[in-house]
Amino acid sequence: EIVLTQSPGTLSLSPGERATLSCRASQSVSNFLAWYQQKPGQAPRLLISGASSRATGIPDRFSGSGSGTDFTLTISRLEPEDFAVYFCQQYASSPRGIFGQGTRLEIK
Amino acid sequence: QVQLVQSGAEVKKPGASVKVSCKASGSTFSNYGISWVRQAPGQGLEWMGWISPNNGYTNYAQKFQGRVTMTIDTSTSTAYMELRSLRSDDTAVYYCARAAIEFIVGAPGLYWGQGTLITVSS
Repeated sequence: EIVLTQSPGTLSLSPGERATLSCRASQSVSNFLAWYQQKPGQAPRLLISGASSRATGIPDRFSGSGSGTDFTLTISRLEPEDFAVYFCQQYASSPRGIFGQGTRLEIK
Repeated sequence: QVQLVQSGAEVKKPGASVKVSCKASGSTFSNYGISWVRQAPGQGLEWMGWISPNNGYTNYAQKFQGRVTMTIDTSTSTAYMELRSLRSDDTAVYYCARAAIEFIVGAPGLYWGQGTLITVSS
């Protein structure tokens, strides 16, 4: 069974800084990886699918990279509204739809 | 623009069943599958399964096999998720999500419902 491990668990940064979030798969998921943002009391919001394709309406400060087992979500310059929890999800192979445990991005 | 509207919060006793609905407006499901995802209080996201609107094909997470049933009524653009034999650790917000990509099982959700809180308590 594929396991997704996100790091760090919590990331403390200031607005304007660059954020780098990691997601590692226990076996290759090719590029079948997505990233979501979730704010308290809200449903998740899809940011990236196919490892690097931004969803409709997502600002270009969000970018995804990687393939195989190692993936990165980069937020180039943090805006106040970017502080949230981020999840990765794989949809390559069974059990499809598995999520990572999440990374909390908090204001320093 | 697709909108998914879910049924309201429910309180259930252990051992009971619950059926959550998810109605789409603005567009039909077309070839985009529907996933169900839950989130226990203060916890992460847990994928429960996926259903195709074309033929009703389902793919469930092993954890829920035998306890969950997902269905779709294309005439009303409504998806349903029934979970049986409820336990206290089933207490969570349950979300439906329409996929961003056609045909792919478990494809990421682009459009999400508002969530339905299911509380299991004696």
